[in-house]
Amino acid sequence: RKEVEQDPGPFNVPEGATVAFNCTYSNSASQSFFWYRQDCRKEPKLLMSVYSSGNEDGRFTAQLNRASQYISLLIRDSKLSDSATYLCVVNPEGFQKLVFGTGTRLLVSP
Amino acid sequence: EAGVVQSPRYKIIEKKQPVAFWCNPISGHNTLYWYRQNLGQGPELLIRYENEEAVDDSQLPKDRFSAERLKGVDSTLKIQPAELGDSAVYLCASSGQGAVFGYTFGSGTRLTVV
Repeated sequence: RKEVEQDPGPFNVPEGATVAFNCTYSNSASQSFFWYRQDCRKEPKLLMSVYSSGNEDGRFTAQLNRASQYISLLIRDSKLSDSATYLCVVNPEGFQKLVFGTGTRLLVSP
Repeated sequence: EAGVVQSPRYKIIEKKQPVAFWCNPISGHNTLYWYRQNLGQGPELLIRYENEEAVDDSQLPKDRFSAERLKGVDSTLKIQPAELGDSAVYLCASSGQGAVFGYTFGSGTRLTVV
């Protein structure tokens, strides 16, 4: 089983739509969680950290469910500029490294 | 603050040739990572340095890959000889606080082996 699993998509949505991505992780003792965004032919960039209490940054909301080992990202009012690959990322306990999922590709159309 | 700097941005080589990638981390960051990202996949860790010491190189194919981090600052990743399957993007990242708060990547080196 992969350490971090995501649906690769692509998710094709119209502008203004709400879209949600999910991710599961295998190490129950993982201690920190992130969503990274990667544009085509660019490096991954930190989008937001994910906290147990849930956190929001503008149109983006991230949730963590430790009991189910599940992470989600919700994007409201999608913009064309949101088109990218969204990588689910986990820091396994005891390891000073990040483990990346394969990414979920989002395509927002006019 | 300057970000993580990598060079070259692109490299095309013939198989069996050697190749080297260079990374300059963010100033003061003691942890440096090399990742490889294949097309359609997420980045995968090759090696992690704490200062000049390689503390996690379990995923580095040691028969052909080598890395060094002189004086705990710049790092070089080398492949010799390169194989067709080594075509990928090689990403360098650095952190001043381990991985707990995430880290910053350089723009990567896109390697094509022909």
